[in-house]
Amino acid sequence: SQQGEEDPQALSIQEGENATMNCSYKTSINNLQWYRQNSGRGLVHLILIRSNEREKHSGRLRVTLDTSKKSSSLLITASRAADTASYFCATDATSGNTPLVFGKGTRLSVIA
Amino acid sequence: EAQVTQNPRYLITVTGKKLTVTCSQNMNHEYMSWYRQDPGLGLRQIYYSMNVEVTDKGDVPEGYKVSRKEKRNFPLILESPSPNQTSLYFCASSFVGRTYNEQFFGPGTRLTVL
Repeated sequence: SQQGEEDPQALSIQEGENATMNCSYKTSINNLQWYRQNSGRGLVHLILIRSNEREKHSGRLRVTLDTSKKSSSLLITASRAADTASYFCATDATSGNTPLVFGKGTRLSVIA
Repeated sequence: EAQVTQNPRYLITVTGKKLTVTCSQNMNHEYMSWYRQDPGLGLRQIYYSMNVEVTDKGDVPEGYKVSRKEKRNFPLILESPSPNQTSLYFCASSFVGRTYNEQFFGPGTRLTVL
């Protein structure tokens, strides 16, 4: 299946800095979703952006989508230690009866 | 409270001893899915179900079975577990429209097969 690929695999920043994670995918999509996972826990949905949208905001989160480049970015502004987690993108392909596919994630560490 | 529950949360078993991990959701979701998560491999889908009595293989279905007799339940069955099935397992559910919606995940089941 065509996974989304997050980049970088790991990111370490100081509290207060912005964190940017990227997701690239290979097929046409209906939407792209971002999830967060605290260590060993279930994933939590953060934001969904549809293929006809270019940017979306939710609190300190900003997501962009460039369908021509088949890529998305997740920006977390003014990061906090509590933002330390893994972040995953998930793509909903337009082709056929295919399931939602998750990438391998970016591990973000925010140092206080 | 809207939630996805999984049981057990932790399980240590031996090779070949059949086990079932239950998953239940109280949100009337049509779509349910099982994933396994392994270090460096991310989430890989095992099986999914678009509705009652409809199940399909995901990326890694070998060694697993599922059933969807009721809308709220989607058990994962390991008929003869092997050590390579040691993993962290997640169940998820959502509504399905023309596209996939927000997925709600269970808390996870950590399985060790000796």
